[in-house]
Amino acid sequence: ETGVTQSPTHLIKTRGQQVTLRCSSQSGHNTVSWYQQALGQGPQFIFQYYREEENGRGNFPPRFSGLQFPNYSSELNVNALELDDSALYLCASSLVRGFRETQYFGPGTRLLVL
Amino acid sequence: DQQVKQNSPSLSVQEGRISILNCDYTNSMFDYFLWYKKYPAEGPTFLISISSIKDKNEDGRFTVFLNKSAKHLSLHIVPSQPGDSAVYFCAARLGPNFGNEKLTFGTGTRLTIIP
Repeated sequence: ETGVTQSPTHLIKTRGQQVTLRCSSQSGHNTVSWYQQALGQGPQFIFQYYREEENGRGNFPPRFSGLQFPNYSSELNVNALELDDSALYLCASSLVRGFRETQYFGPGTRLLVL
Repeated sequence: DQQVKQNSPSLSVQEGRISILNCDYTNSMFDYFLWYKKYPAEGPTFLISISSIKDKNEDGRFTVFLNKSAKHLSLHIVPSQPGDSAVYFCAARLGPNFGNEKLTFGTGTRLTIIP
């Protein structure tokens, strides 16, 4: 039990639609990262937020955006969904901004785009 | 460009024996390495980590070895137990000067412990 929760657990959308995924971090965790895990692959870094500001981004287009809120929750928004966006989306939080801090993952949201 | 590689997609080990999972990396700027375990329908769970200033870190049945010159790390589990059956991911992180805590993951190794 990592104390990181995500909603919804599963979601089905059609191509072109928009989706919002949510994550609730452990209290006091001021850094949250989002990852995309395609089938048979390892998680791929989308972006990270620290104290409500984006702090690093992976090779994902601008239609992937995020927000972090003062209450340790965060959102991942994806616009103009494509079939290849079908994946497991994971959020991970850590206590403080430090490169040796462990990131704790939520259970993920499985998104299917038809 | 796969900077972290786990070349064995699967591994089967008898219960009680040693499980050895391997990971190679190409980016010499990686400074911190972690192993995560993942069960189906759950997120990755942190197992053990190692800083680049060390060559070994031990935690109970789990030991991680780092060979910086070979850019190779391994996770040893001894003795292996049925509950260890899961997918294991190796992950790496750049040093503190790079400004964020992005983890770069390998593709995972599915470990099956045979009773």
